[in-house]
Amino acid sequence: QKEVEQNSGPLSVPEGAIASLNCTYSDRGSQSFFWYRQYSGKSPELIMFIYSNGDKEDGRFTAQLNKASQYVSLLIRDSQPSDSATYLCAATISNFGNEKLTFGTGTRLTIIP
Amino acid sequence: EPEVTQTPSHQVTQMGQEVILRCVPISNHLYFYWYRQILGQKVEFLVSFYNNEISEKSEIFDDQFSVERPDGSNFTLKIRSTKLEDSAMYFCASKEGRNTEAFFGQGTRLTVV
Repeated sequence: QKEVEQNSGPLSVPEGAIASLNCTYSDRGSQSFFWYRQYSGKSPELIMFIYSNGDKEDGRFTAQLNKASQYVSLLIRDSQPSDSATYLCAATISNFGNEKLTFGTGTRLTIIP
Repeated sequence: EPEVTQTPSHQVTQMGQEVILRCVPISNHLYFYWYRQILGQKVEFLVSFYNNEISEKSEIFDDQFSVERPDGSNFTLKIRSTKLEDSAMYFCASKEGRNTEAFFGQGTRLTVV
């Protein structure tokens, strides 16, 4: 079973601090990785995607990918109360040329004012 | 901004009834997906659809489920003879191509009573 693993949390971070979210994946063939934010009762909303080893920055968000360690992370700088949500890590798993997103269980993040 | 739209937002049905969940993917997207999320659990892959046929389906997607793309815009999920355990949020997603980001609709909350 090809899995994506996340610490379910909850993770509590003071407002203004850096929140660090981590994810590992089991399929070495995974090529693309995504971070989605999900508010309670709502659909997943794409925050970042990353394909290459290293860091990718977009505003307050930085995604990091280490394919050798099969590890993906998301850093949120200057955390705001509105960042409080569940963050879903997802990997594209290819199976005989077909692609699907496989999600982790999500990490619940709470930003404390 | 283009978006994936789903109808209805909430459906209540009696056990044993058939339901059809509807989705309009983003117009230039070629890959379509259905996912479900039981309350408090992870987002689970149901089925992927490409080139007018199912490209992959999960163990969950048994004979009770079917998908159709009846015209150039709609993508439907039919659940025959619903069971209590089918109660969940059902998300439709679409993406433009391989290794691109998937965008999710706002979901249909299905409640089977």
